[in-house]
Amino acid sequence: QVQLVESGGGLVKPGGSLRLSCAASGFTFSDYYMSWIRQAPGKGLEWVSYISSSGSTIYYADSVKGRFTISRDNAKNSLYLQMNSLRAEDTAVYYCARVRYGDYGPYFDYWGQGTLVTVSS
Amino acid sequence: QSALTQPASVSGSPGQSITISCTGTSSDVGGYNYVSWYQQHPGKAPKLMIYDVSNRPSGVSNRFSGSKSGNTASLTISGLQAEDEADYYCSSYTSSSTPYWVFGGGTKLTVL
Repeated sequence: QVQLVESGGGLVKPGGSLRLSCAASGFTFSDYYMSWIRQAPGKGLEWVSYISSSGSTIYYADSVKGRFTISRDNAKNSLYLQMNSLRAEDTAVYYCARVRYGDYGPYFDYWGQGTLVTVSS
Repeated sequence: QSALTQPASVSGSPGQSITISCTGTSSDVGGYNYVSWYQQHPGKAPKLMIYDVSNRPSGVSNRFSGSKSGNTASLTISGLQAEDEADYYCSSYTSSSTPYWVFGGGTKLTVL
């Protein structure tokens, strides 16, 4: 069965850095596009970033562009999110999600359980 | 990259039907059939319920259905059950100059 397990969250000071990881299993990781989506405490979902199966195509939300870097290692079945220059407003649970394409467009068919990132002094 | 608009809360009694609306613009909901819906129970990860406006993934009850008219998408849950009580989020992908996904603010469904 499809499993996505995030790790790497924690408490970091404003301006600091953190690297999140997502270990995938139960499917051929290299065949799928992947995304990071976050949810601030008590708030709604916010899409963060997307990476194609090969890693050649990458998109970011305006709110993280220039500060976050998404990457993947298909040999290790892993997705990453390098987060630099962190701000208080980056505090959230970060989910990795598998991207699936339907007849019309992409959607997120499996999600991990999330990892909490807290940015605070 | 503005959020889609959903009602903050809806409620219904067991057995009834409810509809959650999701309003966007012609640049997202109205422009493409890329609307998806997600269910999230407290402390849990979101679960895909509907994709491509009205398609149900395997394993999702046929009590859940989706539709779209103009810039507004809708999720209808019929025969409400206690386990349907959760937060529901709509999402739309847009393949404009910079492709991205936008989510609604979420709707809390209470089963009375």
